Amino acid sequence: EAGVAQSPRYKIIEKRQSVAFWCNPISGHATLYWYQQILGQGPKLLIQFQNNGVVDDSQLPKDRFSAERLKGVDSTLKIQPAKLEDSAVYLCASSFQGAGYTFGSGTRLTVV
Amino acid sequence: QQPVQSPQAVILREGEDAVINCSSSKALYSVHWYRQKHGEAPVFLMILLKGGEQKGHDKISASFNEKKQQSSLYLTASQLSYSGTYFCGTDPGPSSNTGKLIFGQGTTLQVKP
Repeated sequence: EAGVAQSPRYKIIEKRQSVAFWCNPISGHATLYWYQQILGQGPKLLIQFQNNGVVDDSQLPKDRFSAERLKGVDSTLKIQPAKLEDSAVYLCASSFQGAGYTFGSGTRLTVV
Repeated sequence: QQPVQSPQAVILREGEDAVINCSSSKALYSVHWYRQKHGEAPVFLMILLKGGEQKGHDKISASFNEKKQQSSLYLTASQLSYSGTYFCGTDPGPSSNTGKLIFGQGTTLQVKP
């Protein structure tokens, strides 16, 4: 079974620039998550999708972050404009009917 | 409300045992445990549902006490491959699985030869 695919693996941008991350979950996994993991901390949920609908985006800074999951398969997370404090690893995960998460390798974002 | 893990870090020799605790101030529906090695994604270990169950595979097991709102991960006869950061993730429910996890701050485990 193929895992959760994410790209790019690394990204360095200047503050106030925009950036987008892509995620393709495991086939058949209806639930997709984006988490932000700052160095030395646990992952923090940004947004949860069920198929192509948003279940929870209460922790998403909506003034600068946006996410979509068109057609209920792959998903894109965007930051515009980026701030220094957005430097983190962005993890995408998927799950099937409440089972354990499968995480992607993540995108390490550095904002300079 | 983020669950609290203890200890923050532990160093073991191969073959020794360790216990990692995860406590929540809120009632929980389920608890997940993950291990993350440096520079890699977290890997799912196990899930425990409310009902006070215990689970385990190989030499890693866990318990969930819903009354105390806490879970413990037990690593016995540790191996070098057990090194990494362990996270508990809690699903607040309360009555059903939301699928949403709130992760603790992590416990770093280092196993030395």
